[in-house]
Amino acid sequence: SQTIHQWPATLVQPVGSPLSLECTVEGTSNPNLYWYRQAAGRGLQLLFYSVGIGQISSEVPQNLSASRPQDRQFILSSKKLLLSDSGFYLCAWSVAGTSGKETQYFGPGTRLLVL
Amino acid sequence: AQRVTQPEKLLSVFKGAPVELKCNYSYSGSPELFWYVQYSRQRLQLLLRHISRESIKGFTADLNKGETSFHLKKPFAQEEDSAMYYCALSPRFNQAGTALIFGKGTTLSVSS
Repeated sequence: SQTIHQWPATLVQPVGSPLSLECTVEGTSNPNLYWYRQAAGRGLQLLFYSVGIGQISSEVPQNLSASRPQDRQFILSSKKLLLSDSGFYLCAWSVAGTSGKETQYFGPGTRLLVL
Repeated sequence: AQRVTQPEKLLSVFKGAPVELKCNYSYSGSPELFWYVQYSRQRLQLLLRHISRESIKGFTADLNKGETSFHLKKPFAQEEDSAMYYCALSPRFNQAGTALIFGKGTTLSVSS
């Protein structure tokens, strides 16, 4: 069966420090991968998605970046965190090559607090 | 602009009462709509999608293109239905890597 992992679960970082959040998927090949952010009172916002290794699409301009160095690994990074980067970050995957009907499966999330 | 609106931040009902969680969308094409749910200390997960026309845990949702709505309904609420509910729209129909546009979510609280 397929599983999706995220770590760390919680992270407290000072403003200006770098960030690296990792997401890995097991039990499937060539998944579509997604990063969302959930900020207080603002719902879920898509940040990046990827349909393959090295292929990243950004939905919202910001100081975050994403990379997909391996088929089932998706990394969210920042060189210098801002206070506004605080939030709950969710990684998700879906089956590749299908239409918009596919279900997205979410990881447990990482809670980031920037101080 | 593509947008999903959930007008209620919190909906409180008594056990056994009917529930309707409202969702309205703005999209020029043919939408794919979903309801996701997050129970306390659990992951966000799919509840149902309109193309399946299914009923999950007693919940149903009908796509009304005239009113651009996809309200989630259940005739008799249960305490275990208490959760955060998100309505979501898939804007890139028939394209790979389709992402979702989420509403801000509605917290449903069912009390006895």
